[in-house]
Amino acid sequence: GNSVTQMEGPVTLSEEAFLTINCTYTATGYPSLFWYVQYPGEGLQLLLKATKADDKGSNKGFEATYRKETTSFHLEKGSVQVSDSAVYFCALRRNAGNNRKLIWGLGTSLAVNP
Amino acid sequence: EAGVTQFPSHSVIEKGQTVTLRCDPISGHDNLYWYRRVMGKEIKFLLHFVKESKQDESGMPNNRFLAERTGGTYSTLKVQPAELEDSGVYFCASQDGAGGEQFFGPGTRLTVL
Repeated sequence: GNSVTQMEGPVTLSEEAFLTINCTYTATGYPSLFWYVQYPGEGLQLLLKATKADDKGSNKGFEATYRKETTSFHLEKGSVQVSDSAVYFCALRRNAGNNRKLIWGLGTSLAVNP
Repeated sequence: EAGVTQFPSHSVIEKGQTVTLRCDPISGHDNLYWYRRVMGKEIKFLLHFVKESKQDESGMPNNRFLAERTGGTYSTLKVQPAELEDSGVYFCASQDGAGGEQFFGPGTRLTVL
C-alpha cells in the first residue's frame, strides 16, 4: 500500500541554519506529493506541492523536488528563521479516482532558536 | 471567504460519554474529509464525503464513530461511547474539485479521561 516515511524530530536549529527534513514514500502509480505545516495554535496549511516527477515545489523559501528514482521529496530551506518553528508533515495523494485522501508521514517538529 | 471551521476547539470527556464534533467546510466545496492524529502517530484518514454521500469510510475505526453530512453542508462526527484510545486531534478538510487543494480547519482536540 501507499505510505510515507518522514525523518523523526524534534529538530532544533539556530537562526540562519540550513534545514533538511527527509521524506520518502511508497506508492502505486504516480502520486502527488505535499508538505504541510502546522504553526503553534493553528491548523494545517499547505506549504508546497509537486504533482509529477522532477517537479520542484517552492514557497516561503522552502523547496522540495519530486524524485521518482529515489522515491523522495525532501524539504529544504537555506536559512531558517524563528518564525519557521512549526511541525512539518509530508504527505502523498493519488492523482486519479474520486477519493483523494492524503496519506501522511509522522510529522517533524522544528524549533529555531534566535 | 471564510475558511474551514471546527467546533469545539477542545473537548474533555469521560470514558463512556458521547461527543459530537462539527465541521463547517468552505462554502460550495463538495468534498469533505475527516482525519485524526493520535499522539505520537501519523495523521490518518477517517472518511470522505462528496456532498451528503459517504464516498469512502474505510478509515473509520469502529462502529462507535458515526459521521453525517446532512444537506451536503456541515458535517458532524459523533463518538459514542468514547474510549480512552479515541483521544487525539480531529481534523476536517474541504476540497472543491476532485484534484483541488484540501483546506484544513484548526482541528478539535479530544481528550477522553
